[in-house]
Amino acid sequence: DTEVTQTPKHLVMGMTNKKSLKCEQHMGHRAMYWYKQKAKKPPELMFVYSYEKLSINESVPSRFSPECPNSSLLNLHLHALQPEDSALYLCASSHALDQGRPQHFGDGTRLSIL
Amino acid sequence: AQSVTQPDIHITVSEGASLELRCNYSYGATPYLFWYVQSPGQGLQLLLKYFSGDTLVQGIKGFEAEFKRSQSSFNLRKPSVHWSDAAEYFCAVVLGRSGGSNYKLTFGKGTLLTVNP
Repeated sequence: DTEVTQTPKHLVMGMTNKKSLKCEQHMGHRAMYWYKQKAKKPPELMFVYSYEKLSINESVPSRFSPECPNSSLLNLHLHALQPEDSALYLCASSHALDQGRPQHFGDGTRLSIL
Repeated sequence: AQSVTQPDIHITVSEGASLELRCNYSYGATPYLFWYVQSPGQGLQLLLKYFSGDTLVQGIKGFEAEFKRSQSSFNLRKPSVHWSDAAEYFCAVVLGRSGGSNYKLTFGKGTLLTVNP
């Protein structure tokens, strides 16, 4: 069982839809991450939050909009996505950003863009 | 440029056989080192990590890894593989030790493990 919970597990949306992915952790971690993973590839970092503030945006297109409402919750808002955005989206958390602590991953949301 | 190399894209072993998955990194200093496993349709699970100290580290599910500074390697081993070990295995490093980008996991391309009955 993972301690990082992601919902929904699967999402199918059209290119004009607006949807959100949700990630929650109750381990007291203050760093949270969004990754994108294409099939047979390693995860690619998208965003990093530290103490609820956006620290890193890895040049992600603006159709992806992250939000960290509190220390336990991380959202990824999606709008006007492209077919190439179909992927597994993984959330992760760690104790803090600056100590090389291991990241703990959720099971991901499998996103399909029609 | 810093990099993580997993030379084997796909490994097949028989159940009960021993396993070694290779990982090499290219970096001037000793990074933080991790092995993750990903079963189909799931997220990544941390198997073990190395920060400093004893170069042989024990992880979950009977896995261990040995850090060899002279070879810039961090190979994952298991003495007897179970069918449930079939999965994708990722070696990862955090390259910065203080400040800077010491949050960023750099992953190898992964090794897919198939276990034959």
